[in-house]
Amino acid sequence: AQKVTQAQTEISVVEKEDVTLDCVYETRDTTYYLFWYKQPPSGELVFLIRRNSFDEQNEISGRYSWNFQKSTSSFNFTITASQVVDSAVYFCALSVLTGGGNKLTFGTGTQLKVEL
Amino acid sequence: EPEVTQTPSHQVTQMGQEVILRCVPISNHLYFYWYRQILGQKVEFLVSFYNNEISEKSEIFDDQFSVERPDGSNFTLKIRSTKLEDSAMYFCASSENNQGPYGYTFGSGTRLTVV
Repeated sequence: AQKVTQAQTEISVVEKEDVTLDCVYETRDTTYYLFWYKQPPSGELVFLIRRNSFDEQNEISGRYSWNFQKSTSSFNFTITASQVVDSAVYFCALSVLTGGGNKLTFGTGTQLKVEL
Repeated sequence: EPEVTQTPSHQVTQMGQEVILRCVPISNHLYFYWYRQILGQKVEFLVSFYNNEISEKSEIFDDQFSVERPDGSNFTLKIRSTKLEDSAMYFCASSENNQGPYGYTFGSGTRLTVV
């Protein structure tokens, strides 16, 4: 069975601070995919990134960066110079290949509050 | 950019009533999913659907739930006799294939309120 742990329930930062959201996953599969989604107050799930288990390269996209470390089963997400618009719930998710598709197992989410 | 469309965006229903949530997946996608998110909680997998049958379902997806692809474009989730605890946001998703969740796309959700 798959499991995703986001130990940080809520984080509050002041605008322009850097913030890292932690994600630890568990799976016995050697091929899997990791995701981050943003859920703003409006409720939709906004896709941020997908990473497969064979690609441990870190990725940077603007103010966002992701650190994937298989040795510690972690896929952490850093926002540099946070902005008020970054305030949202962020979910980490894991998917493994099955014959029936690719269901996602989500973590419990981290509520990020960015204040002026 | 292709979208997964869900209707209605918000539905209020009385306890015990049947409700149908509708989704139009991306046209060339073959795998379809429903997820549920109770307010303030995590997103939970309900069911996946491929080749006109359920391929996987969770413990949440009991006999009161059913899914259907009635006309080749819509994908529906039916709750037969709603309970107060069915109040949640329901997300539909679709993906291209099962060789990797490329193109895995969520709809914007239907907020179901059972009163």
